[in-house]
Amino acid sequence: GQQLNQSPQSMFIQEGEDVSMNCTSSSIFNTWLWYKQDPGEGPVLLIALYKAGELTSNGRLTAQFGITRKDSFLNISASIPSDVGIYFCAGQRDTGRRALTFGSGTRLQVQP
Amino acid sequence: NAGVTQTPKFQVLKTGQSMTLQCAQDMNHNSMYWYRQDPGMGLRLIYYSASEGTTDKGEVPNGYNVSRLNKREFSLRLESAAPSQTSVYFCASRGAHTGELFFGEGSRLTVL
Repeated sequence: GQQLNQSPQSMFIQEGEDVSMNCTSSSIFNTWLWYKQDPGEGPVLLIALYKAGELTSNGRLTAQFGITRKDSFLNISASIPSDVGIYFCAGQRDTGRRALTFGSGTRLQVQP
Repeated sequence: NAGVTQTPKFQVLKTGQSMTLQCAQDMNHNSMYWYRQDPGMGLRLIYYSASEGTTDKGEVPNGYNVSRLNKREFSLRLESAAPSQTSVYFCASRGAHTGELFFGEGSRLTVL
């Protein structure tokens, strides 16, 4: 079953506001990734984190790999209308399959 | 550069019918994956293929079969479709040295 708990499930914010979402797990992951999915499209990678404690930025996005390796957060600063979409966290363990386990997603809506 | 291409994009089936979803990638990636996406449940792994000639079950394999035809192509088959298989299906691929999955645009399947 689902192993990543992602919150919040949805957010409705005003343009210009900052956004924060997070994922937690009862298991350790060695890689955390954050994806964004636009309507009718497949998910696209935003940020990848490979080391516990790592803090990485990509423009207005900042993500951190929790020190316990069981959690990660994503912050979006100064939101704009094109930030609308579903954001997924994903974790990977060092197993042969190298598949990702996904959170249930955070649906973000931005009011202009 | 097309990336990951899925066909068809939309399909309606009657219960008991069979069909195959096709996926091809042009990035010379070794690993390929099939996920399904359902509301509130994120993406769940159906099957994956770590390399040409190998396939393995994911989290929700029941009712599906796969074929890794060659390095480029990985197909997903529903032998006898059921309403519970109504979903959006995503194919993805990944190279050897990165954690990033590249997704196709998705195939929306409805089983009546």
